[in-house]
Amino acid sequence: QKEVEQNSGPLSVPEGAIASLNCTYSDRGSQSFFWYRQYSGKSPELIMFIYSNGDKEDGRFTAQLNKASQYVSLLIRDSQPSDSATYLCAVSPGNQFYFGTGTSLTVIP
Amino acid sequence: SAVISQKPSRDICQRGTSLTIQCQVDSQVTMMFWYRQQPGQSLTLIATANQGSEATYESGFVIDKFPISRPNLTFSTLTVSNMSPEDSSIYLCSVEGGAQTEAFFGQGTRLTVV
Repeated sequence: QKEVEQNSGPLSVPEGAIASLNCTYSDRGSQSFFWYRQYSGKSPELIMFIYSNGDKEDGRFTAQLNKASQYVSLLIRDSQPSDSATYLCAVSPGNQFYFGTGTSLTVIP
Repeated sequence: SAVISQKPSRDICQRGTSLTIQCQVDSQVTMMFWYRQQPGQSLTLIATANQGSEATYESGFVIDKFPISRPNLTFSTLTVSNMSPEDSSIYLCSVEGGAQTEAFFGQGTRLTVV
């Protein structure tokens, strides 16, 4: 398995704050990077993907990629209680997807 | 996007028996993937199923334990053989949307081995 690491958390932030989720990966051949959200008992659902170094913003979410440091992050602005879930970082060197251990996020009202 | 139907959604099985999980996709896809998610853990790739060839297994997974069929471009099965309580997990079928696009997941099969 390709190594993809995340802080398991739990991470708690107050409502309206910024949540910061981090991920590192071992395979320098990785080309595509994804953030999935998984609610308890549900399948993962895609939040964002990023392919190029730099930042990518989509609504309240910003993904950041630094291939030299083999690091990808997800920022969630104006966090809402509905954002409470496990966030999975996924890395793809080609066709397969390799997932990190996930970070549990709790947004406190 | 792809719509994936996976069944059964859950099952409770006796140790030593086998369970076959089915995955049906609403469009033709080249590759299908099988993952395991143990309680409180992330997704671990078991194998990649290609139509017309044997599945490719990740380290730690073997064909005798997890035989996979891929008879056509829209269907695959994963069998969990000679089950033990350690096989209790959620098994997920997944397909890729296309080059560098997201992975789509079935609803998962929650397996409990007693």
